Amino acid sequence: DVKVTQSSRYLVKRTGEKVFLECVQDMDHENMFWYRQDPGLGLRLIYFSYDVKMKEKGDIPEGYSVSREKKERFSLILESASTNQTSMYLCAGGERDGLNQPQHFGDGTRLSIL
Amino acid sequence: EDKVVQSPLSLVVHEGDTVTLNCSYEVTNFRSLLWYKQEKKAPTFLFMLTSSGIEKKSGRLSSILDKKELFSILNITATQTGDSAVYLCAVGDSGNTPLVFGKGTRLSVIA
Repeated sequence: DVKVTQSSRYLVKRTGEKVFLECVQDMDHENMFWYRQDPGLGLRLIYFSYDVKMKEKGDIPEGYSVSREKKERFSLILESASTNQTSMYLCAGGERDGLNQPQHFGDGTRLSIL
Repeated sequence: EDKVVQSPLSLVVHEGDTVTLNCSYEVTNFRSLLWYKQEKKAPTFLFMLTSSGIEKKSGRLSSILDKKELFSILNITATQTGDSAVYLCAVGDSGNTPLVFGKGTRLSVIA
């Protein structure tokens, strides 16, 4: 199984700060994903990446960017944090090649923007 | 636009009951349907179904897919309090697009 590790379980930042959320997967798989999860809205895809230095926008990319310099690491960046970005952020790694394959999730980062 | 709808949104049952969770979908070129269980932290993968009519089973959990009617069900028999969770359904198509997730069903099992 893919193991996905997110660097922080809880994070508190201030409005306007630049925020980095880190995610590392321990298998040599191409696909990685960032979601946010909010009550009543379910999982919403922010960005995904199918290879090093490649990135694709998901459903809600506004206010976010990503970085994939190495295959095992996929970072989510909030360029200038705002209170409406307070949420649970989940990173996932794809089990096998192909975007329709099972994803394995990290434990999530609960981010609060004050 | 691909769509995944789960029902009910929430459900409360007593220990020992049997429950059925539903997932209906609309995708252009269906390839796979996946079920996840989410307790307090990350969603954990349960099943992937690709063929109609073939039941996947793991202990008290089972799932089946109907590609003609475009839905899947997840059954849990003899429920326990540890089954309390949000159950997520996701659908993949054969194109180069990520899984589409439903909003989930919140199951509460009370003693």
